[in-house]
Amino acid sequence: EAGVTQSPTHLIKTRGQQVTLRCSPISGHTSVYWYQQALGLGLQFLLWYDEGEERNRGNFPPRFSGRQFPNYSSELNVNALELEDSALYLCASSLDQGGGYTFGSGTRLTVV
Amino acid sequence: AQKVTQAQTEISVVEKEDVTLDCVYETRDTTYYLFWYKQPPSGELVFLIRRNSFDEQNEISGRYSWNFQKSTSSFNFTITASQVVDSAVYFCALSLNAGGTSYGKLTFGQGTILTVHP
Repeated sequence: EAGVTQSPTHLIKTRGQQVTLRCSPISGHTSVYWYQQALGLGLQFLLWYDEGEERNRGNFPPRFSGRQFPNYSSELNVNALELEDSALYLCASSLDQGGGYTFGSGTRLTVV
Repeated sequence: AQKVTQAQTEISVVEKEDVTLDCVYETRDTTYYLFWYKQPPSGELVFLIRRNSFDEQNEISGRYSWNFQKSTSSFNFTITASQVVDSAVYFCALSLNAGGTSYGKLTFGQGTILTVHP
């Protein structure tokens, strides 16, 4: 069974640009979660999508957004990139909200 | 609000030593889940264990064991006879099985960097 896949693995962007990160969940998982792991800040919850709807979001500005497609894959969009957006962005999927979260290997975004 | 505290930022041991990683959590909810994840240098978070708040049984899986004590809000993780391959960052996390703004998210501790020397 394929795990959670994320693309791209690495990305370098310039401040002010926009970026789209992609995530494919484990087959059969309907929930997708996005987390940001910035240096020194630990893992912060960004967004949760389930059945195509945004169910919850963390304490991030509106320039962080995303969507979930009918096949349950998901995109995370970040507009007007700032230097502090440099981080590892991790996607996870699960069958339910009680746990069993499986994480992907992440996308490492560097904003210069 | 929920909070997870891993007081040990870094731990360094020599191979074959036992090591315990501490985790203390705070929540007002009575139904929750606790987790431990391992993050090797590759970056992927590897699931180690999930524990339901109603199940205080300790668990052992090979060299790994977990001690869950609701009375002290702790969920500690012990590696017996550590190996170099255990070197990684370990995260403790909490999720609520309830509605509201906490629903569907994991609250992570800051992580403990474990280095096992040969």
